[in-house]
Amino acid sequence: DQQVKQNSPSLSVQEGRISILNCDYTNSMFDYFLWYKKYPAEGPTFLISISSIKDKNEDGRFTVFLNKSAKHLSLHIVPSQPGDSAVYFCAASANANTGFQKLVFGTGTRLLVSP
Amino acid sequence: NAGVMQNPRHLVRRRGQEARLRCSPMKGHSHVYWYRQLPEEGLKFMVYLQKENIIDESGMPKERFSAEFPKEGPSILRIQQVVRGDSAAYFCASSPQVQGWNTEAFFGQGTRLTVV
Repeated sequence: DQQVKQNSPSLSVQEGRISILNCDYTNSMFDYFLWYKKYPAEGPTFLISISSIKDKNEDGRFTVFLNKSAKHLSLHIVPSQPGDSAVYFCAASANANTGFQKLVFGTGTRLLVSP
Repeated sequence: NAGVMQNPRHLVRRRGQEARLRCSPMKGHSHVYWYRQLPEEGLKFMVYLQKENIIDESGMPKERFSAEFPKEGPSILRIQQVVRGDSAAYFCASSPQVQGWNTEAFFGQGTRLTVV
C-alpha cells in the first residue's frame, strides 16, 4: 500500500530550465509534506517543506506547491543546475504539530540536469 | 556542530549472525528515528525513540529486530540472525525536542548492510 507515490522514476532537464517533480498521496490525514534530496552513498538532505494550511512555499530556487483537493504536490526548481542532479524524495507525515517525524516516503525521482 | 553520525558505513554479515548499527544524533537532539531503504524503494519508517523510551515501533519487524536509545551513548539498531532479505541501507535521523511544524529531521549517511 503505497501512500506516497512518485510516478516518474527519472527526469532529464537542461541547465537553466525548470525542473518539475511530482508527488501524489492517498492518506487525507497527512498534514505536512517535505522534499528531500539524496546523493549516492549519502543520507537524505532536507530541502523544503509545506504544511497543509498553505498551498505554496518558496525558498530560493525551490518552490513547493500543494493541491489538497487533488492530493498532489510538486517541487519546482528554477533555474535548474547540474549540481541539482540527485534523487528527490517526497515525504509526508500526519499530526505534524506533534513534531513527530514519522515520515512516509515516495520511491524517489532521479533528476539529471545536463549542461 | 557535527551532523548525525552512523557507524559503520558498511557492514557485511553472514546469515545467522548479528548486526549492530549505531547512531549518534546531532548535538542537542533528543529524538531518533530509524528508516530502512531496500533496493529501488523509498525509505520506510522503522522506529522512533527518545532517550530510554521507544515511542513508536510500528515499522519494526516483529522478530529479530530491536532498538534502543540509552541515557548515555548512541542509539543502537540490532538485527539478530540476519537473513539475505535484511540487506539494505539503514538510515538514522534525529530532531530536536518537539517544537511544532518545522521540526525537520536530519539524516545520517546510513549504514549499508550486506548479508552474504
